[in-house]
Order: sequence, then C-alpha cells, then structure tokens
Amino acid sequence: GENVEQHPSTLSVQEGDSAVIKCTYSDSASNYFPWYKQELGKGPQLIIDIRSNVGEKKDQRIAVTLNKTAKHFSLHITETQPEDSAVYFCAASKDNFNKFYFGSGTKLNVKP
Amino acid sequence: EAQVTQNPRYLITVTGKKLTVTCSQNMNHEYMSWYRQDPGLGLRQIYYSMNVEVTDKGDVPEGYKVSRKEKRNFPLILESPSPNQTSLYFCASGQGASDTQYFGPGTRLTVL
Repeated sequence: GENVEQHPSTLSVQEGDSAVIKCTYSDSASNYFPWYKQELGKGPQLIIDIRSNVGEKKDQRIAVTLNKTAKHFSLHITETQPEDSAVYFCAASKDNFNKFYFGSGTKLNVKP
Repeated sequence: EAQVTQNPRYLITVTGKKLTVTCSQNMNHEYMSWYRQDPGLGLRQIYYSMNVEVTDKGDVPEGYKVSRKEKRNFPLILESPSPNQTSLYFCASGQGASDTQYFGPGTRLTVL
C-alpha cells in the first residue's frame, strides 16, 4: 500500500516568517494530495489540496507544490500568524482506490 | 449547517464490553470513513464505505466492525474492546476518497 512520510514533526517559527512542511509518498499512482489543519480538540479540516495534473496551487498565504517525479509535495505558509499554530497533516489517495493515507503530522508553533 | 456528528465524544469502558460509536452526516455524501489517531502515527484508516451496504477494510480493521444501512449513518462497532484500541477516533464523509473529506469532532475512547 501507500506510505506517506511527513517532516518535520515539529516546527517553530516567528510570526511573519514562512513555514514549509514536506511529505513524500511511495505509490506513483497516487493523484490526490490534500493538506489538513487540526486545531486542538477538533477534527482535521481541509486547507488546500492538489491533484497530479497540477504542479502548484495557491490560496492566499498558503501554497502547495507537487513534484511527481520525486514523489514529494510540500505545504508553504507565508507571513505566519499565531492562529496558524496547529497540527498539519498531509495525505494521499488515488482515484478508484478509495483508501486514504495520512502522514504522521507536523505541529506548527508560531511565536508572537 | 453541513456537518458530521459523532457520539459519544468521550467514552471510558472496560475490556470486552461491546460498544458502538455513532457517526452521522447531513451532506448526502456517498463516501464515509473511520480513522483512529495515535501520537506519532497520524490518522490511520479503519474502514470505509462507498455507499449503502458497501463497506471495505482500511489499513487497521482488526477488532472493528462497521455497517452502512442508511446513507447518512456509519456506526463503528467494537465487539470486544481491548486496551490497544484506546485512541482518538474520527469519522469523515465526502463525495469520494479522492475528494474533500469532512471530519467529525472526534471520539476519545479509553479501554481499561
């Protein structure tokens, strides 16, 4: 099955700095890569996703890049704010397969 | 309000006492799934369902059962819980595996 690895496990940045979280996947057939944000005591919430026919996608301060050849994708958060502090998960799945694989999570701490 | 609900939110039980965690969604989603979240392991898929009466195993199905008799409900059943099933459980729903998943608030289960 698919194996998704996520790094780093913890990340501390100063408010206003950028944060980058990286994930690799093993199954070259995977074609959907979402990122979820989990705040304390809540369920994960989708913040951005990308499909394999696209190399980059942006939504305001958040961007995701995908390198299919290297089988890795990254989450970029610019101008970080304290409310960005949370645990972030990457995931991978593929059409017609129905299973969903998550990375182990990154705890992001944005210091005011 | 579009949402996924889970009950109970917290449960402490003893080894071997059968329990059911309910999950309901009001978005008419065909795909529903159960995950468990453990420190350092991210979210791991237990079971998923593509539609009514259609269920299949995820990566960690041992010790769990599910049923999908109605589109909106997807209960998770632990016939004989054991301490290694102590975890945080999330139900999710979406249009499909390679599409946005909406997560419930989670159920924290402790098996003594």
